[in-house]
Amino acid sequence: AQSVTQPDIHITVSEGASLELRCNYSYGATPYLFWYVQSPGQGLQLLLKYFSGDTLVQGIKGFEAEFKRSQSSFNLRKPSVHWSDAAEYFCAVGAYNTDKLIFGTGTRLQVFP
Amino acid sequence: NAGVTQTPKFRILKIGQSMTLQCTQDMNHNYMYWYRQDPGMGLKLIYYSVGAGITDKGEVPNGYNVSRSTTEDFPLRLELAAPSQTSVYFCAGGTPNTGELFFGEGSRLTVL
Repeated sequence: AQSVTQPDIHITVSEGASLELRCNYSYGATPYLFWYVQSPGQGLQLLLKYFSGDTLVQGIKGFEAEFKRSQSSFNLRKPSVHWSDAAEYFCAVGAYNTDKLIFGTGTRLQVFP
Repeated sequence: NAGVTQTPKFRILKIGQSMTLQCTQDMNHNYMYWYRQDPGMGLKLIYYSVGAGITDKGEVPNGYNVSRSTTEDFPLRLELAAPSQTSVYFCAGGTPNTGELFFGEGSRLTVL
């Protein structure tokens, strides 16, 4: 079955600390992978995406993600978190011929000063 | 260029009432989606459309209906509202094979 798992429901970090949000997927075809961010009261916004090639991809707001095929993972990272990064983060998977994306259940990030 | 616009932002319904959530986009996307978001459950796909006149069910279509008479509009109809339909609803448009979906700001619906 096709699925996306985000094992961490809620993560709390101090401002300036590094961040890693986990994402594992199960998908029959070669996956396209995405991270979205949802600020409070807003819709989702695309942070970054991976199709092929270099397994480390850069996104907006200083985020990056690494695709590891052997681990079926696509973890999101940021070296130094800012208070404005507090939000909910969603991992999603698709493919070149798909009609829709499959979203994970999200990870809520809280940032303490 | 407004992107994806949803109305209303908030609505309270009584059990058994009906309503339509409106969604319109000015980005000329063929693909449009309706999701519901419940705490800790992520996004669940209700219905989607791959172009005007074509719609299909998602994971949780029961209790909802959609239509797509134009590229711009993709309304979601709730018939006989139930408390289980209390949720935040998001409309999105975009291109799924690039992952670039553009979301509206959401519509918070409460059924009492």
